[in-house]
Amino acid sequence: KAGVTQTPRYLIKTRGQQVTLSCSPISGHRSVSWYQQTPGQGLQFLFEYFSETQRNKGNFPGRFSGRQFSNSRSEMNVSTLELGDSALYLCASSPSGGLYGYTFGSGTRLTVV
Amino acid sequence: GQQLNQSPQSMFIQEGEDVSMNCTSSSIFNTWLWYKQEPGEGPVLLIALYKAGELTSNGRLTAQFGITRKDSFLNISASIPSDVGIYFCAGQLEAQKLVFGQGTRLTINP
Repeated sequence: KAGVTQTPRYLIKTRGQQVTLSCSPISGHRSVSWYQQTPGQGLQFLFEYFSETQRNKGNFPGRFSGRQFSNSRSEMNVSTLELGDSALYLCASSPSGGLYGYTFGSGTRLTVV
Repeated sequence: GQQLNQSPQSMFIQEGEDVSMNCTSSSIFNTWLWYKQEPGEGPVLLIALYKAGELTSNGRLTAQFGITRKDSFLNISASIPSDVGIYFCAGQLEAQKLVFGQGTRLTINP
């Protein structure tokens, strides 16, 4: 059974640019969550999608957005990148919205220069 | 926002020793989860706890959901080299959101 797949694995962008990250959940999982991981702040919740609807959102500025498609694949977008957006972005999927824990992907390492 | 206090931040032990780490919160949670993360990978779920007072084992790992619903601990018995990594606790109140501790970095001397 394939795990959670995130692409790309590594990304380098310049300040002011925008970026789109992709996540394919485990087959049959309808809930997808996104987390940002940095050495200073640790793992921080960004948002969660279930059946194409955002159900919960963390405390991040509006530059961070996401969406989910009908096949449960999800994308997150960060516009007007700042140096502080450099982080490991993790996607996690769950069959039922997290009641039985989330399975994480390997993440996308974003570096903003 | 909500934060979990996880301790210790790091541990240096000898192979074969037992390990204990814990998480406390000022808020209650309905679920406690323990994850392990290795370099270049995402966190992997080790143990999930769903009921206050619950004690659950997964091989050499044992975790408990505190009776007050504000804390949890993880024990690893007879540590081996592959236990090296960063261990995270996570609390879940709303079904869609996990709140993570800052992690415990475990280093093992063979």
